[in-house]
Amino acid sequence: NAGVTQTPKFQVLKTGQSMTLQCAQDMNHNSMYWYRQDPGMGLRLIYYSASEGTTDKGEVPNGYNVSRLNKREFSLRLESAAPSQTSVYFCASKRELSMNTEAFFGQGTRLTVV
Amino acid sequence: AQSVTQLDSQVPVFEEAPVELRCNYSSSVSVYLFWYVQYPNQGLQLLLKYLSGSTLVKGINGFEAEFNKSQTSFHLRKPSVHISDTAEYFCAVSDQGFQKLVFGTGTRLLVSP
Repeated sequence: NAGVTQTPKFQVLKTGQSMTLQCAQDMNHNSMYWYRQDPGMGLRLIYYSASEGTTDKGEVPNGYNVSRLNKREFSLRLESAAPSQTSVYFCASKRELSMNTEAFFGQGTRLTVV
Repeated sequence: AQSVTQLDSQVPVFEEAPVELRCNYSSSVSVYLFWYVQYPNQGLQLLLKYLSGSTLVKGINGFEAEFNKSQTSFHLRKPSVHISDTAEYFCAVSDQGFQKLVFGTGTRLLVSP
């Protein structure tokens, strides 16, 4: 049981390049999330998806787009990367959006934009 | 809106000593509180959570936390730490809908021999 899998683990982009961070979960969870983690700022929510076919903005959505491809997969796209998007990105999933169940996290994608 | 404050960015402690990591929250409604741990180069793992009932919550790896509504605090404690407890610890708060978790800035626990 892999849980939440993120690819790639590391990535270096040049300013202006685009890329997609992939996330897949095998726990049959309905809700999925993308967070970014920056030193001294904790984790901040970028986008979330309550269920397949729905997405909503979180705290810091600017510069990002998301796609809930199916129940398993939730991707995060940077259309034109900026140095301010250098961060560690975490995907998470939860059984249901409005349940007091645990959120499971992937191991993160470390992105550097130069 | 909810917010979480973790005042200590780093807490150094010797092995087998007790430790307390502080967490204060603000919210105008009832909240649910969580502590997550992040080991180096890993994702976050749930340590414990407070939803209702007893204000003393026990979690994994010998950690416990106490919910104090009057002081709006949810401090994490362990009576005797191990080297393997070296990690970053995040306090988080969720609203009644459990839709989003709001995280604190994290406290790095450094356990030395």
